[in-house]
Amino acid sequence: SQKIEQNSEALNIQEGKTATLTCNYTNYSPAYLQWYRQDPGRGPVFLLLIRENEKEKRKERLKVTFDTTLKQSLFHITASQPADSATYLCALDNAGNNRKLIWGLGTSLAVNP
Amino acid sequence: DGGITQSPKYLFRKEGQNVTLSCEQNLNHDAMYWYRQDPGQGLRLIYYSQIVNDFQKGDIAEGYSVSREKKESFPLTVTSAQKNPTAFYLCASRSGTGNNSPLHFGNGTRLTVT
Repeated sequence: SQKIEQNSEALNIQEGKTATLTCNYTNYSPAYLQWYRQDPGRGPVFLLLIRENEKEKRKERLKVTFDTTLKQSLFHITASQPADSATYLCALDNAGNNRKLIWGLGTSLAVNP
Repeated sequence: DGGITQSPKYLFRKEGQNVTLSCEQNLNHDAMYWYRQDPGQGLRLIYYSQIVNDFQKGDIAEGYSVSREKKESFPLTVTSAQKNPTAFYLCASRSGTGNNSPLHFGNGTRLTVT
């Protein structure tokens, strides 16, 4: 069956360290993968999009990788800050089903000062 | 500022009543979407519209209805036929219809039905 999985347990890290979040998928062949940030009680906010033919994308302190062989995307936040604390969602383009976005459950990140 | 506005933020209804959630955008986006978010589940698509006067069912459309009479507006009605209506509802829009453009979300409406 088709699945998209993100770290189910919350991630706690110390300020200044690099946070790495994982998004794994099975039985999909996505053309794009997107990462969003969601704060409690608010809508998700778009962060980065990576295409299947791109290995890596960067934006300021954020970096996303996309390995279509491993069927995995990694999302890194370098020099993390308490303000980075939020839930991070990955979403992939399900090319086989009307190209709808399929969403992971999200990983909660807490950056401790 | 451009964006998506959902109202109200909190909504309470008695079982058996229909309720309409508002979604307005001033981003000039063609496509609009309604999602539902529940604890322990990813965002699930209820309805979407790629152009005015046209909309399609998503994965969990039963018990919901929508209209798209104006480009800026995409209201969602939760009917009494929806078995588990209590949830956090998110409206989103995007400039194109392909998945290579990001979604812009509103800040949601939390509906509680008792």
